[in-house]
Amino acid sequence: GAVVSQHPSWVICKSGTSVKIECRSLDFQATTMFWYRQFPKQSLMLMATSNEGSKATYEQGVEKDKFLINHASLTLSTLTVTSAHPEDSSFYICSARDDRSSYNEQFFGPGTRLTVL
Amino acid sequence: AQSVAQPEDQVNVAEGNPLTVKCTYSVSGNPYLFWYVQYPNRGLQFLLKYITGDNLVKGSYGFEAEFNKSQTSFHLKKPSALVSDSALYFCAVRAVTGGFKTIFGAGTRLFVKA
Repeated sequence: GAVVSQHPSWVICKSGTSVKIECRSLDFQATTMFWYRQFPKQSLMLMATSNEGSKATYEQGVEKDKFLINHASLTLSTLTVTSAHPEDSSFYICSARDDRSSYNEQFFGPGTRLTVL
Repeated sequence: AQSVAQPEDQVNVAEGNPLTVKCTYSVSGNPYLFWYVQYPNRGLQFLLKYITGDNLVKGSYGFEAEFNKSQTSFHLKKPSALVSDSALYFCAVRAVTGGFKTIFGAGTRLFVKA
């Protein structure tokens, strides 16, 4: 299957700083990518849909100014957590929709664990 | 709106016994259904999917699931559980329309006892 990478795999930062997480589709193009967050022992919650060349679509309750999404190319989407606080500590997972797939196949990245001190 | 329900927070089963992890869904139109497994501090691993065709879907590691349209269910099964199957299992649904979003159930933790 296709591969999606995330960088970094984990990050620790101080409160008030911004953190950028990258999601890359390594062997396919992805016009659409998705960002999820997962709190400990909980499910994945969809945060936003990232669209190449246009603005991201955020789910209800997700602060767009807090979680900046940029989808600058067909293989890269970035999520920037701005002015991070301890409550933003979470596991962030992206997925990428394979443009070639007739049924919108999506592949998930390995996740990024963010810890805000 | 689409949704997924996993009614059991936890399932306990003895090694060698059959296991079932339940999932029901709600979606407009035809669904795409998925099962994923997650080990501690790891990302999701794909197990199997139903897109169309045969209602019984076979996937990785001996798992299978049966799509039941009338009951809107997609229960995950395995004939003989292994201790190494202990993990967190997520059912997910994607609507054919609606922006290709994948919505996850709350997850079911499976404990397989030796």
